[in-house]
Amino acid sequence: GIQVEQSPPDLILQEGANSTLRCNFSDSVNNLQWFHQNPWGQLINLFYIPSGTKQNGRLSATTVATERYSLLYISSSQTTDSGVYFCAVNQAGTALIFGKGTTLSVSS
Amino acid sequence: EPEVTQTPSHQVTQMGQEVILRCVPISNHLYFYWYRQILGQKVEFLVSFYNNEISEKSEIFDDQFSVERPDGSNFTLKIRSTKLEDSAMYFCASRIWTYEAFFGQGTRLTVV
Repeated sequence: GIQVEQSPPDLILQEGANSTLRCNFSDSVNNLQWFHQNPWGQLINLFYIPSGTKQNGRLSATTVATERYSLLYISSSQTTDSGVYFCAVNQAGTALIFGKGTTLSVSS
Repeated sequence: EPEVTQTPSHQVTQMGQEVILRCVPISNHLYFYWYRQILGQKVEFLVSFYNNEISEKSEIFDDQFSVERPDGSNFTLKIRSTKLEDSAMYFCASRIWTYEAFFGQGTRLTVV
């Protein structure tokens, strides 16, 4: 099956810093989503981005489908950005497969 | 904004007991999923459901598990005889014909 690798596994930032999270996948996909898991365990949809670039406030994402990777950018990080960021992909007719996540800790 | 809702948010059960986790997917969605996340680990796929039948299931989804969409709005996951290793966060998800999936807030199941 398709493999999803996220890096780095852990990231510690001071408030105000920028960061880039990476997601590599082993085969072509029809869907790629980024999620933020907050301290209560909820999975919050950040981006649906099988290809191209999207921006939402301080967050943006880019997927280069031909090279099988996606990047999530967080600018001017805040303590509320802390949590685990998951990338998940799927191919047509199959369920989402999640990476192991990047745990982000932002301190004030 | 429409959302996937799950009940209960937290359930504690004795080993060997049956549990039913409930989900109300977004109303016009067609595809329904259950995932689980053992504490500190990644989110794992259990089962997908479309057109009133299972369309895909993982190795985790053995005979102890079953799913049902009893009334056109609810989507349930039943675990027949819970084990300690079933303790996890269980997520329901749904999507329309596009691939973007929306997740519920999860049910934390603790088996004691």
